[in-house]
Amino acid sequence: QQPVQSPQAVILREGEDAVINCSSSKALYSVHWYRQKHGEAPVFLMILLKGGEQKGHEKISASFNEKKQQSSLYLTASQLSYSGTYFCGSVNLNAGGTSYGKLTFGQGTILTVHP
Amino acid sequence: DSGVTQTPKHLITATGQRVTLRCSPRSGDLSVYWYQQSLDQGLQFLIQYYNGEERAKGNILERFSAQQFPDLHSELNLSSLELGDSALYFCASSVAGDYYNEQFFGPGTRLTVL
Repeated sequence: QQPVQSPQAVILREGEDAVINCSSSKALYSVHWYRQKHGEAPVFLMILLKGGEQKGHEKISASFNEKKQQSSLYLTASQLSYSGTYFCGSVNLNAGGTSYGKLTFGQGTILTVHP
Repeated sequence: DSGVTQTPKHLITATGQRVTLRCSPRSGDLSVYWYQQSLDQGLQFLIQYYNGEERAKGNILERFSAQQFPDLHSELNLSSLELGDSALYFCASSVAGDYYNEQFFGPGTRLTVL
Protein backbone atom coordinates (compact mmCIF):
# COMPACT_ATOMS: atom_id res chain seq x y z
CA GLN A 1 0.00 0.00 0.00
CA GLN A 2 1.42 3.36 -1.03
CA PRO A 3 2.25 6.07 1.51
CA VAL A 4 -0.07 9.07 1.63
CA GLN A 5 1.34 12.53 1.04
CA SER A 6 -0.14 15.82 2.15
CA PRO A 7 -0.86 18.39 0.99
CA GLN A 8 -1.54 17.46 -2.64
CA ALA A 9 -0.40 20.88 -3.81
CA VAL A 10 1.28 23.96 -2.37
CA ILE A 11 1.69 27.44 -3.83
CA LEU A 12 4.35 29.69 -2.35
CA ARG A 13 6.03 33.02 -2.91
CA GLU A 14 9.82 33.05 -2.98
CA GLY A 15 11.23 33.05 0.51
CA GLU A 16 8.26 31.29 2.12
CA ASP A 17 8.45 27.94 3.88
CA ALA A 18 6.59 24.69 3.29
CA VAL A 19 6.22 21.28 4.92
CA ILE A 20 5.33 18.13 3.01
CA ASN A 21 4.17 15.10 4.95
CA CYS A 22 4.35 11.40 4.16
CA SER A 23 2.46 8.77 6.12
CA SER A 24 2.64 5.00 5.84
CA SER A 25 0.25 2.33 7.13
CA LYS A 26 3.11 -0.19 7.32
CA ALA A 27 6.30 -0.26 9.38
CA LEU A 28 9.04 1.76 7.70
CA TYR A 29 12.65 0.83 7.21
CA SER A 30 13.47 4.00 5.36
CA VAL A 31 11.91 7.00 3.64
CA HIS A 32 13.38 8.47 0.45
CA TRP A 33 12.51 11.94 -0.83
CA TYR A 34 12.73 12.98 -4.48
CA ARG A 35 11.88 16.06 -6.53
CA GLN A 36 10.75 15.71 -10.13
CA LYS A 37 10.34 18.47 -12.68
CA HIS A 38 7.95 17.94 -15.55
CA GLY A 39 9.25 15.42 -18.09
CA GLU A 40 12.47 14.83 -16.15
CA ALA A 41 13.80 12.11 -13.88
CA PRO A 42 13.20 12.16 -10.13
CA VAL A 43 16.20 13.69 -8.36
CA PHE A 44 17.33 12.27 -5.03
CA LEU A 45 17.00 14.71 -2.10
CA MET A 46 17.26 12.77 1.12
CA ILE A 47 17.02 9.38 2.76
CA LEU A 48 15.95 8.85 6.36
CA LEU A 49 16.66 5.56 8.01
CA LYS A 50 15.15 3.59 10.84
CA GLY A 51 17.33 4.48 13.80
CA GLY A 52 17.73 8.13 12.96
CA GLU A 53 20.46 8.34 10.34
CA GLN A 54 19.97 10.75 7.46
CA LYS A 55 21.77 11.20 4.16
CA GLY A 56 21.14 13.91 1.65
CA HIS A 57 21.47 17.51 0.59
CA GLU A 58 22.71 19.95 3.22
CA LYS A 59 20.06 22.53 2.37
CA ILE A 60 17.17 20.10 2.78
CA SER A 61 15.88 19.01 6.15
CA ALA A 62 13.47 16.27 7.06
CA SER A 63 12.22 14.28 9.99
CA PHE A 64 11.28 10.65 10.49
CA ASN A 65 8.94 9.47 13.24
CA GLU A 66 9.23 5.69 13.38
CA LYS A 67 6.42 5.22 15.88
CA LYS A 68 3.94 7.22 13.84
CA GLN A 69 5.34 5.86 10.56
CA GLN A 70 5.58 9.37 9.21
CA SER A 71 8.14 11.61 7.59
CA SER A 72 8.10 15.32 6.86
CA LEU A 73 10.18 17.35 4.40
CA TYR A 74 10.94 20.95 5.33
CA LEU A 75 11.56 23.48 2.59
CA THR A 76 12.71 26.80 3.99
CA ALA A 77 13.28 30.14 2.24
CA SER A 78 11.95 28.63 -0.98
CA GLN A 79 13.46 29.51 -4.33
CA LEU A 80 11.98 29.35 -7.83
CA SER A 81 14.10 26.25 -8.46
CA TYR A 82 12.22 24.38 -5.72
CA SER A 83 9.15 24.11 -7.97
CA GLY A 84 8.29 20.57 -8.96
CA THR A 85 6.57 17.46 -7.71
CA TYR A 86 7.90 15.98 -4.49
CA PHE A 87 7.63 12.26 -3.90
CA CYS A 88 8.27 10.24 -0.83
CA GLY A 89 9.16 6.60 -1.26
CA SER A 90 8.95 4.09 1.54
CA VAL A 91 10.82 0.85 2.04
CA ASN A 92 8.69 -1.46 4.15
CA LEU A 93 9.38 -4.79 5.75
CA ASN A 94 8.34 -7.55 3.37
CA ALA A 95 6.46 -10.67 4.36
CA GLY A 96 9.61 -12.72 3.99
CA GLY A 97 11.45 -10.50 6.45
CA THR A 98 13.55 -8.78 3.83
CA SER A 99 13.39 -5.18 2.71
CA TYR A 100 15.96 -4.61 -0.01
CA GLY A 101 15.38 -1.46 -2.02
CA LYS A 102 11.82 -1.77 -3.22
CA LEU A 103 10.45 1.78 -3.06
CA THR A 104 6.72 2.37 -2.84
CA PHE A 105 6.01 5.96 -3.83
CA GLY A 106 3.32 8.33 -2.62
CA GLN A 107 1.10 10.14 -5.08
CA GLY A 108 3.26 13.27 -5.04
CA THR A 109 2.92 16.87 -3.84
CA ILE A 110 3.04 19.62 -6.44
CA LEU A 111 5.00 22.63 -5.23
CA THR A 112 4.83 25.89 -7.16
CA VAL A 113 7.01 28.84 -6.18
CA HIS A 114 6.16 32.25 -7.62
CA PRO A 115 8.43 35.31 -7.71
CA ASP B 1 23.22 14.16 -14.60
CA SER B 2 22.84 11.12 -12.33
CA GLY B 3 25.28 8.93 -14.27
CA VAL B 4 22.56 6.43 -15.17
CA THR B 5 21.94 6.15 -18.90
CA GLN B 6 18.87 4.86 -20.67
CA THR B 7 18.17 4.20 -24.31
CA PRO B 8 16.19 4.97 -26.31
CA LYS B 9 14.82 8.28 -25.07
CA HIS B 10 11.57 7.91 -26.99
CA LEU B 11 9.87 4.88 -28.45
CA ILE B 12 6.70 4.83 -30.53
CA THR B 13 5.24 1.48 -31.47
CA ALA B 14 1.97 -0.28 -32.20
CA THR B 15 -0.20 -2.54 -30.07
CA GLY B 16 0.91 -6.15 -30.04
CA GLN B 17 4.56 -5.31 -30.63
CA ARG B 18 7.59 -6.05 -28.45
CA VAL B 19 10.23 -3.54 -27.34
CA THR B 20 13.44 -3.58 -25.30
CA LEU B 21 14.54 -0.76 -23.03
CA ARG B 22 18.16 -0.55 -21.99
CA CYS B 23 19.81 0.83 -18.87
CA SER B 24 23.42 1.30 -17.80
CA PRO B 25 23.90 1.96 -14.08
CA ARG B 26 26.30 4.44 -12.53
CA SER B 27 29.88 3.26 -12.39
CA GLY B 28 30.30 1.08 -9.30
CA ASP B 29 26.60 0.46 -8.71
CA LEU B 30 25.58 -3.18 -8.50
CA SER B 31 21.81 -2.84 -8.21
CA VAL B 32 19.35 -1.77 -10.87
CA TYR B 33 15.67 -0.96 -10.47
CA TRP B 34 12.90 -0.44 -13.02
CA TYR B 35 9.96 1.90 -12.42
CA GLN B 36 6.93 2.79 -14.52
CA GLN B 37 5.35 6.24 -14.32
CA SER B 38 1.93 6.94 -15.76
CA LEU B 39 -0.65 9.63 -15.05
CA ASP B 40 -3.19 7.27 -13.50
CA GLN B 41 -0.82 4.89 -11.63
CA GLY B 42 1.90 7.27 -10.51
CA LEU B 43 5.46 6.02 -9.99
CA GLN B 44 5.41 2.24 -9.60
CA PHE B 45 8.21 -0.19 -8.79
CA LEU B 46 8.53 -3.03 -11.28
CA ILE B 47 11.61 -5.08 -10.44
CA GLN B 48 15.08 -4.95 -8.83
CA TYR B 49 18.30 -6.76 -9.70
CA TYR B 50 21.48 -7.03 -7.72
CA ASN B 51 24.68 -8.22 -9.38
CA GLY B 52 22.77 -10.20 -11.98
CA GLU B 53 20.20 -11.76 -9.67
CA GLU B 54 16.57 -10.77 -9.25
CA ARG B 55 16.13 -9.36 -5.75
CA ALA B 56 12.64 -7.88 -5.47
CA LYS B 57 9.56 -7.85 -7.63
CA GLY B 58 6.63 -5.46 -7.77
CA ASN B 59 3.39 -5.68 -9.71
CA ILE B 60 5.19 -6.42 -12.95
CA LEU B 61 2.98 -7.84 -15.67
CA GLU B 62 3.73 -11.31 -17.04
CA ARG B 63 4.17 -9.69 -20.47
CA PHE B 64 7.13 -7.79 -19.03
CA SER B 65 10.50 -9.33 -18.24
CA ALA B 66 13.91 -8.02 -17.29
CA GLN B 67 17.44 -9.16 -16.76
CA GLN B 68 20.77 -7.82 -15.61
CA PHE B 69 23.83 -8.87 -17.55
CA PRO B 70 27.37 -9.65 -16.29
CA ASP B 71 28.50 -6.13 -17.24
CA LEU B 72 25.65 -4.91 -14.97
CA HIS B 73 23.59 -3.22 -17.65
CA SER B 74 19.93 -4.17 -17.62
CA GLU B 75 17.19 -4.60 -20.16
CA LEU B 76 13.43 -4.44 -19.72
CA ASN B 77 11.44 -6.34 -22.33
CA LEU B 78 7.82 -5.43 -22.92
CA SER B 79 5.76 -7.68 -25.18
CA SER B 80 2.21 -7.87 -26.56
CA LEU B 81 2.02 -4.14 -25.94
CA GLU B 82 -1.29 -2.53 -25.09
CA LEU B 83 -2.36 1.12 -25.15
CA GLY B 84 -2.21 1.17 -21.37
CA ASP B 85 1.51 0.38 -21.40
CA SER B 86 2.22 3.90 -22.65
CA ALA B 87 4.26 5.49 -19.88
CA LEU B 88 7.65 6.79 -18.79
CA TYR B 89 9.95 3.94 -17.81
CA PHE B 90 12.76 4.82 -15.44
CA CYS B 91 15.78 2.85 -14.47
CA ALA B 92 17.57 3.63 -11.22
CA SER B 93 20.75 2.29 -9.70
CA SER B 94 22.35 2.08 -6.28
CA VAL B 95 25.65 0.92 -4.84
CA ALA B 96 24.07 -2.10 -3.19
CA GLY B 97 20.44 -3.12 -3.09
CA ASP B 98 19.37 -2.34 0.43
CA TYR B 99 16.86 -0.04 2.08
CA TYR B 100 19.61 2.36 3.17
CA ASN B 101 21.05 2.93 -0.31
CA GLU B 102 20.19 6.03 -2.31
CA GLN B 103 18.72 5.30 -5.72
CA PHE B 104 19.70 7.50 -8.67
CA PHE B 105 17.34 7.70 -11.61
CA GLY B 106 18.15 7.75 -15.29
CA PRO B 107 16.46 10.17 -17.72
CA GLY B 108 13.78 7.64 -18.66
CA THR B 109 12.34 6.16 -21.82
CA ARG B 110 9.00 7.51 -22.97
CA LEU B 111 7.00 4.70 -24.55
CA THR B 112 4.00 5.52 -26.70
CA VAL B 113 1.83 2.63 -27.88
CA LEU B 114 -0.52 3.52 -30.75
